[in-house]
Amino acid sequence: DAMVIQNPRYQVTQFGKPVTLSCSQTLNHNVMYWYQQKSSQAPKLLFHYYDKDFNNEADTPDNFQSRRPNTSFCFLDIRSPGLGDAAMYLCATSIGLGYGYTFGSGTRLTVV
Amino acid sequence: AQSVTQLDSQVPVFEEAPVELRCNYSSSVSVYLFWYVQYPNQGLQLLLKYLSGSTLVESINGFEAEFNKSQTSFHLRKPSVHISDTAEYFCAVSGTNAGGTSYGKLTFGQGTILTVHP
Repeated sequence: DAMVIQNPRYQVTQFGKPVTLSCSQTLNHNVMYWYQQKSSQAPKLLFHYYDKDFNNEADTPDNFQSRRPNTSFCFLDIRSPGLGDAAMYLCATSIGLGYGYTFGSGTRLTVV
Repeated sequence: AQSVTQLDSQVPVFEEAPVELRCNYSSSVSVYLFWYVQYPNQGLQLLLKYLSGSTLVESINGFEAEFNKSQTSFHLRKPSVHISDTAEYFCAVSGTNAGGTSYGKLTFGQGTILTVHP
């Protein structure tokens, strides 16, 4: 089945140690998004790619970076995780405006 | 700018009772509306969406939502809930500003936790 896959499902990292979360899709969608969702809060958009065009939200911290080497894969890099970065990270894809998103199952990041 | 307000953070209800989860939005010219459901430690799943046409949209598991432009609302309803409907529900809006290209970015509400009791 076509889908969005996030690995790993659970990630524990040390304070200040770089970590990378990955997302892959078999839907061949143009747009890929990364959202951060903290406990009991709405998902918050960090950035998105439209094909190779990278779009950063104005309030996304510099600590967060992203790479999209090809249509299928997108990575979220956190250069120096802090305790406040513990959250569920959601990857989503979309064919374009108005079609809705297909979400992955998320990666729950714990910072110790 | 666009925003979504979900008026209830938690809704407890008994099994087989009706339920309504309220959602109001503000947006610019064109608007698309969505309801997503999230089970614990999982991603969001699309429940239903309004793009155009009939203002009443339905999902395969008995939920429905009605787009009301005059009241800027998109409330979610189900006439009889099941224990398995216990989850968090997010209302979301996407659209474009006049002359803009938002690439379909979704803005989410704060979520409503629906708890169905036996």
